[in-house]
Amino acid sequence: AQKITQTQPGMFVQEKEAVTLDCTYDTSDPSYGLFWYKQPSSGEMIFLIYQGSYDQQNATEGRYSLNFQKARKSANLVISASQLGDSAMYFCAMREGNQAGTALIFGKGTTLSVSS
Amino acid sequence: NAGVTQTPKFRVLKTGQSMTLLCAQDMNHEYMYWYRQDPGMGLRLIHYSVGEGTTAKGEVPDGYNVSRLKKQNFLLGLESAAPSQTSVYFCASSLDAGGQYWIYEQYFGPGTRLTVT
Repeated sequence: AQKITQTQPGMFVQEKEAVTLDCTYDTSDPSYGLFWYKQPSSGEMIFLIYQGSYDQQNATEGRYSLNFQKARKSANLVISASQLGDSAMYFCAMREGNQAGTALIFGKGTTLSVSS
Repeated sequence: NAGVTQTPKFRVLKTGQSMTLLCAQDMNHEYMYWYRQDPGMGLRLIHYSVGEGTTAKGEVPDGYNVSRLKKQNFLLGLESAAPSQTSVYFCASSLDAGGQYWIYEQYFGPGTRLTVT
């Protein structure tokens, strides 16, 4: 079973609109972190936002917020006021467990296209 | 502060050739990782290292070897390249200090695009 599922291969949004990118996860470990990365066409991986399993509040970083619903095991990324520069691939990822050196487990990504 | 750098950025190999990808980080991180990214997929872990002189296998280790002789460097080797190893390779590092390891983000290098013909 996939540990990170991103069901939207592609999303389209107009400038200045908000968009939600879906992510569901599967783990039995009580300690985990959820991360979103942006990969523009240039190819680099850019860290956007983090949510820990014990965090009581949803994470926010500027125009990015994470809608964390622990019981539903979902960690959706919300981008407010989309900009043309937001066009990119977005990956949801998870680190499990209280052990150093554990890898990130990635979803397959969602391609976001922002139009003017 | 350069962060994580990778050399080379692009490489084309013929089947059976060998090569080494170099990753360097200047953040004094103990933990380093090699991932590969194939079309339509997220990144998958090849090998990782929890400190100088130690390495371990990840999800897709076959056909690759690694070495961590210095804390700041992590090398990925392909002894006999195959077309199935055509991919984009990313190196990453993380701090992972003081417990609660799941909270630490990984910092990625710019990637190496490798084509094996």
